[in-house]
Amino acid sequence: QKEVEQDPGPLSVPEGAIVSLNCTYSNSAFQYFMWYRQYSRKGPELLMYTYSSGNKEDGRFTAQVDKSSKYISLFIRDSQPSDSATYLCAMSAGGRRALTFGSGTRLQVQP
Amino acid sequence: EAQVTQNPRYLITVTGKKLTVTCSQNMNHEYMSWYRQDPGLGLRQIYYSMNVEVTDKGDVPEGYKVSRKEKRNFPLILESPSPNQTSLYFCASSLTRTKINSYNEQFFGPGTRLTVL
Repeated sequence: QKEVEQDPGPLSVPEGAIVSLNCTYSNSAFQYFMWYRQYSRKGPELLMYTYSSGNKEDGRFTAQVDKSSKYISLFIRDSQPSDSATYLCAMSAGGRRALTFGSGTRLQVQP
Repeated sequence: EAQVTQNPRYLITVTGKKLTVTCSQNMNHEYMSWYRQDPGLGLRQIYYSMNVEVTDKGDVPEGYKVSRKEKRNFPLILESPSPNQTSLYFCASSLTRTKINSYNEQFFGPGTRLTVL
């Protein structure tokens, strides 16, 4: 079983929809939870990060962490075609700074 | 412009022919790392370096070597490439000094797509 599970999609939604992306994990030592966005033929770029449990909002994006359920989510409101990308969740226990990534969910927002 | 650069971006080679993928960053970051990305497996860390002359194995180090002689450069060496090393490779860098409960963003390069025949 992988340490981090993420539905690969693809997920196709109409422009303006609310998108929900999720990951589950098994390692209770994870303290830092990140969402990276990766456009085609590009490297991942950090979208948001959260320390421990709770919610964090940045514009149209909201990240949620539920450590009791070992479940994290990224919500995108008013989705735009420019949001079309692969979204990778990543987690770290800190210290060595290694990130454990999910396999990524490919999102397509249709105009 | 702050960035991580990798060369080459695309490489097709044959089994056993030694190759080096270069990585350079201009952000004065102490930490650098190599990942490979494969379908269904996400990114997996190959090697990392906390600073000059300090390197350590990640999760999938077999068949790879690295060196860190200068702060800005972190080359990935495949001494004898094999077809199972066909993958998309990313270099990343970040600061290592952290505040309590904060995360230092890792900046990724554009990737190197390697095919080993």
